[in-house]
This record gives sequence, C-alpha cells and structure tokens, in this order.
Amino acid sequence: EAGVVQSPRYKIIEKKQPVAFWCNPISGHNTLYWYLQNLGQGPELLIRYENEEAVDDSQLPKDRFSAERLKGVDSTLKIQPAELGDSAVYLCASSTGTGTQDTQYFGPGTRLTVL
Amino acid sequence: QKEVEQDPGPLSVPEGAIVSLNCTYSNSAFQYFMWYRQYSRKGPELLMYTYSSGNKEDGRFTAQVDKSSKYISLFIRDSQPSDSATYLCAMISQGAQKLVFGQGTRLTINP
Repeated sequence: EAGVVQSPRYKIIEKKQPVAFWCNPISGHNTLYWYLQNLGQGPELLIRYENEEAVDDSQLPKDRFSAERLKGVDSTLKIQPAELGDSAVYLCASSTGTGTQDTQYFGPGTRLTVL
Repeated sequence: QKEVEQDPGPLSVPEGAIVSLNCTYSNSAFQYFMWYRQYSRKGPELLMYTYSSGNKEDGRFTAQVDKSSKYISLFIRDSQPSDSATYLCAMISQGAQKLVFGQGTRLTINP
C-alpha cells in the first residue's frame, strides 16, 4: 500500500514569490494534517481536515497561508508571498479519523528554502 | 514554557549500548503518549504508542509513562547503527486530535 505522497520534495524560491505543496493521503484516510517542521524542532500542526472540512486551522497564518482539500482526498498548501522565515519542512500526514488513538502516517515532506 | 520538553542532544553511544530518551510535559490532560522515529530527509514514523501510565515493550524498545511525574521515556536495548535517527516524543489529550511534539533528540549509534 502506498504511503502519504508529497510533492515536490524540494523547492527553492525567492522571497515574495508564491509556492504550493501537494499531498495525496493514504487511500481511505479521512483526516489530513499539514505540519510545519523547523530545523531541529518537532512538527507543529498548521491545519487539520476531516474530509473536505478544515476543523482546526488555528495555527495557520491566514494572511499568507491557505489550504484546500477538494473532494476530501488530495490537499494543497499555498504560501503567498513567501518570507525568509518560511524556510522549513512542510509535512503532510493522514489518519483514518476514527478517534484519538488514530495513528498519523507522515509523508516525506517538502523542504522549502526561501532566498 | 513549552508543553512538551525534550533534550535535543545530540546523543552519541557505541553499538550495543542501552539508550534512554526522555520527555517531560506540563499538560496533565495528556493521555496518549507516542514515540516517533525520523530518519534524515524522511517523515516521522510511529515507533511506540502507550495509553496512560505504565510500560510497553516491543522487541528492543520499551516505552515508560509516569503520569504522576509527567515524564515519559523510551529505552533502546542492544542499540544498532540503524537506530541512528531523531526520536520525537508526542502526546495527545483524550478526545483531541492535535498531537503535541517534543523538539526531538538526535541519536547516533557508533559501530
């Protein structure tokens, strides 16, 4: 069974440019998460989807970040415009959505460098 | 103060040694405790999962939770070079969906 797929794996952009990351969760997983992982830190939740609905986006900087999960499957996270401080790894995870004990399965992440 | 504190290391030990990794936390509502392993350039993968206090063993790995002290540990016996990775503790409250991670401890096992 394929795991969580993310693309691109690496992205280098100049500040003020837009950037988008794509995630395809494990088949059948209703819950999808986007995390931010800074160098030497643990992941921090940006947004959580239950199917198409964003149920927790309290940590998403809405002035420049946006996300969507059309049809409750794939998801896209966008940053516009990017700032130097956005350089980090953006992780996508998915789970079945059946409860607190759900295991979250992580993708390999997209490593963003903003110059 | 962070909800979950973890010594970032780095920690370097010889092959075969027993490794002890630890986290402390401040939120008494946390009920589920996990350890994730993250290899370089990869996403975290779940290693151990414990509910409430107690011990859980899986092969060379043992997870311990002491809720009275708000302290969790992961022990690795007979450590192998392939265990070299960053180990992240994570925890979640009953009924919640938001994992709270520690900073991660970078571990190197030297052959």
